[in-house]
Parts: sequence; structure tokens; C-alpha cells
Amino acid sequence: SQQGEEDPQALSIQEGENATMNCSYKTSINNLQWYRQNSGRGLVHLILIRSNEREKHSGRLRVTLDTSKKSSSLLITASRAADTASYFCATLDNYGQNFVFGPGTRLSVLP
Amino acid sequence: DVKVTQSSRYLVKRTGEKVFLECVQDMDHENMFWYRQDPGLGLRLIYFSYDVKMKEKGDIPEGYSVSREKKERFSLILESASTNQTSMYLCASTFEGAVDEQYFGPGTRLTVT
Repeated sequence: SQQGEEDPQALSIQEGENATMNCSYKTSINNLQWYRQNSGRGLVHLILIRSNEREKHSGRLRVTLDTSKKSSSLLITASRAADTASYFCATLDNYGQNFVFGPGTRLSVLP
Repeated sequence: DVKVTQSSRYLVKRTGEKVFLECVQDMDHENMFWYRQDPGLGLRLIYFSYDVKMKEKGDIPEGYSVSREKKERFSLILESASTNQTSMYLCASTFEGAVDEQYFGPGTRLTVT
């Protein structure tokens, strides 16, 4: 069964606006990671947040983690057309062995 | 920079053919992974390996096998390709335990006709 579930499945915004994507998961985790995938390409790691962290920043990215709700959000501020991609959350279980990816959110940033 | 390469970007095979997908990483990573990616399903783990000659089944190993004869190379084998194995295949690698970020190859889009 799917561990990470991103929400929404697709998001379309104007350049300069903020984009927020959410991820929910079912079991206890060691960490949660966000990846970006440009069309037809491999995944690129964006940011990792550990289970004992609540918020993390990296450039225009802000990730929050709420382990009580088993959810995370990825905020991209001041979006650019180049941010157009699919975004995936991946959770690492407490055994530290398996990543489980969600189906992804497809973000379109319109110029 | 870590580089993960995959032998083909696009591949078209016939039903029943044996298919080899190869993945090579150049950073001496212990762990390597094979995923398939399908629309609406995200990435699903097929097999992974924590060391040379070592393999573990992932979530969907049926119809696949793997080989890890050298640390840098992890091969995915479709013994007898079927149309439901048409998919994007992504290879990834990490150091030691899978705690750190995964480094992905560009993917191989396999079509089985």
C-alpha cells in the first residue's frame, strides 16, 4: 500500500505565487524527504527532514513535519517557471531499510 | 558530484524477450535500488542491494531478478518481458544504510510490445 500520499495531485499557479504541497503517511518514520522530477528525467533530492525536526528551510523551500498527524508540507515561495515539475515525498521507515514514495504532485508554474 | 548512469534512456522489446537494464554509480555507494514508476502510483521498489552479491526483494519483485557482481553495478533482469512491465525504470544509490538521500539515474523508459 502507498505510504506517502501527496496532495493535491496537480497544482497550477502563476509565477511569483507560493506553492504548497502536502504529504501524508501511515507508519512511523525515520525521516521524510522531498524529491523533484522534471519531465521524463530522474529524481533530484530537495530536502530531508528527520522525525525529531519540525521545520526545515533550504533556499525558497520550506518543509514542515507533523509526526502526530503523520503529515508533511513542502512550500515553494516566489515560484518560477523552472519549478514546473513533479514533486514526490518519500518516507524512510524506522527499520532504516526502505524508502516509500507517494504518487507525486504535478506542479505547473505559468509565466 | 555523484553520478548514476543507466544503460539506455529508451528501450523497446517484444513480449517474451529477456531484458537487461544496467545501472552504474561512481561514488562507491554500498546500496543500490531499482524502482519502477507508473502514473498515479509513484515509485515502487522492485529490488535493492546492500552489498556485492547481496539482494533483497522490494514491494514488487515478481517477474524481475537482479545481479550485483561488482559494487558499482546493479542490473535488473526481466527474464521474459510482458506488456505489463512497460514502465519507467529508475535506479538509485546511497551510502551505507538508506538514511541519506538517494541519488537517481535518468531512468529507462521500457516499452514491451
